[in-house]
Amino acid sequence: QQQVKQSPQSLIVQKGGISIINCAYENTAFDYFPWYQQFPGKGPALLIAIRPDVSEKKEGRFTISFNKSAKQFSLHIMDSQPGDSATYFCAASRDNAGNMLTFGGGTRLMVKP
Amino acid sequence: ETGVTQSPTHLIKTRGQQVTLRCSSQSGHNTVSWYQQALGQGPQFIFQYYREEENGRGNFPPRFSGLQFPNYSSELNVNALELDDSALYLCASRKGLAGTDTQYFGPGTRLTVL
Repeated sequence: QQQVKQSPQSLIVQKGGISIINCAYENTAFDYFPWYQQFPGKGPALLIAIRPDVSEKKEGRFTISFNKSAKQFSLHIMDSQPGDSATYFCAASRDNAGNMLTFGGGTRLMVKP
Repeated sequence: ETGVTQSPTHLIKTRGQQVTLRCSSQSGHNTVSWYQQALGQGPQFIFQYYREEENGRGNFPPRFSGLQFPNYSSELNVNALELDDSALYLCASRKGLAGTDTQYFGPGTRLTVL
């Protein structure tokens, strides 16, 4: 069963625009919510992560917004660049250290120059 | 690079055969996890090993088994291969189970079952 639902499946953004990817989860036992970036031929790489005791976390151009009551979280990529073109996965784990992750289905982002 | 290597890069097997995939972790990383990533989908957790013992398993049948060795390298074994086992198999390693240390993924092994 898909416990983490991700949308959209694909996204096209102009250079300099904002990319927004959304995820919703069902299991209230989830306690750690990371985002991963994957380029073709590579494994996923951790981008940014949040724990449910905060509603927002920002690292450079990447921001996670977290809504515990709605069981939703999102990734915002500000000033999107062509080098950001990749597949993005949200994930969740039941411990707060990111073990045994449940991944969303992925969003293929294309940033047009 | 993540320091996590996997072999082989690609593999073709036929239905019913058995396969062994290998993962070499970063030095000092005593926790390794394996994931299956079907084409166009997110990775699915198979199992995790910590200090040579399995300490967590996802929704995969017993024909998926693993080993972690004293040097913390790891193997994933799949028996009685099925067509649906065709996927990218990823391993990830980290130091310990708790805390904020990042888990690092290898580039994966692409398995095709004919």
